[in-house]
Amino acid sequence: NAGVMQNPRHLVRRRGQEARLRCSPMKGHSHVYWYRQLPEEGLKFMVYLQKENIIDESGMPKERFSAEFPKEGPSILRIQQVVRGDSAAYFCASSGLAAYEQYFGPGTRLTVT
Amino acid sequence: AQSVTQPDIHITVSEGASLELRCNYSYGATPYLFWYVQSPGQGLQLLLKYFSGDTLVQGIKGFEAEFKRSQSSFNLRKPSVHWSDAAEYFCAVGNSGGSNYKLTFGKGTLLTVNP
Repeated sequence: NAGVMQNPRHLVRRRGQEARLRCSPMKGHSHVYWYRQLPEEGLKFMVYLQKENIIDESGMPKERFSAEFPKEGPSILRIQQVVRGDSAAYFCASSGLAAYEQYFGPGTRLTVT
Repeated sequence: AQSVTQPDIHITVSEGASLELRCNYSYGATPYLFWYVQSPGQGLQLLLKYFSGDTLVQGIKGFEAEFKRSQSSFNLRKPSVHWSDAAEYFCAVGNSGGSNYKLTFGKGTLLTVNP
């Protein structure tokens, strides 16, 4: 599969637990973006990463959320101490040098109970 | 700040009928414009994009869109809809200057296709 891969596709967490979402970019892409889609809303930009660097995290909530894109392995979006309001679909996208031309993964649907 | 408005939350058309989905944007300069489609439980697939040049853009699956600067619009059209086109459609705008990776999406239009 040459496309953007995300796992898990569905994740259920109880309030207070940690959620860890993974994203493997398209082959040849070194730029990764995370977006969040709340119910009945469009996607909202969260963070832009390159290998081992956070380029722009202006859309990330100030607390409990973090993201990384290590030299080896997938990009990880981590949400600590989840709350009900974190329930959403989280999409990862990747691009090559043309950062505006992004290809999206299938998303991870997080449900917090 | 850039913004995108999709005025129609839900549209229903009959199979074989023509389709137009509306998108209005707010951006100071010439934007990068995109239409994505999202099928249930799936990710977003890029239908077409506009960066510059010819204002009528052809995309995949028989879709086209027209950039109208005077109306700040980028409406999506298809002459004859197929049942498989039922999905949610998102218009997005990107910054043609700095931070061009930060796409802003509309809230989407859900398309239902009647047989």
